[in-house]
Amino acid sequence: ETGVTQSPTHLIKTRGQQVTLRCSSQSGHNTVSWYQQALGQGPQFIFQYYREEENGRGNFPPRFSGLQFPNYSSELNVNALELDDSALYLCASSKRQGTTNEKLFFGSGTQLSVL
Amino acid sequence: GENVEQHPSTLSVQEGDSAVIKCTYSDSASNYFPWYKQELGKGPQLIIDIRSNVGEKKDQRIAVTLNKTAKHFSLHITETQPEDSAVYFCAALLSNSGYALNFGKGTSLLVTP
Repeated sequence: ETGVTQSPTHLIKTRGQQVTLRCSSQSGHNTVSWYQQALGQGPQFIFQYYREEENGRGNFPPRFSGLQFPNYSSELNVNALELDDSALYLCASSKRQGTTNEKLFFGSGTQLSVL
Repeated sequence: GENVEQHPSTLSVQEGDSAVIKCTYSDSASNYFPWYKQELGKGPQLIIDIRSNVGEKKDQRIAVTLNKTAKHFSLHITETQPEDSAVYFCAALLSNSGYALNFGKGTSLLVTP
């Protein structure tokens, strides 16, 4: 087990709704990244948070947003849900040292279904 | 951006045999290459990683090799066991960007007793 916890584990929403997913990072880690994993695919980078600021973003629209809190936990918010947003959402924590950020440890994810 | 290709997509071996999974990457500036194992219903688990200044790294039955010139890296599992059955992902990162791991599409490994 990595010590990265995500909630909820499963979620069902309807198209157009909004959702908030939560992540508690591993002790001693200061960086949180979010990934989207569609069925049968590798995880796709959404964004990363460091020092409570977005520190990099993948090819996802602005309706995907996030927060990082002083205790390094994080939230992923998705507005105006679309059917294609159905996926496993993974949170990964890591310890950034200087400009190096390696060894990402993933939680078990939140399975989001959009109907 | 970085593009990571992974082969094969599925691999079936008999218990005790070796398994090899290969990946290629496109960005020559990538300098960190982890491998993850994902079991059903779980998140990816880091099993081994290698930096670009090293050609090979071994941890018990698992080894990774890196060829920077050819831009490819491989995962080797020896003496496979049924509990090695899972989906394995390779990834590449430009670590001083502090940003994204770029993952391959995964290899579903089945180890049959």
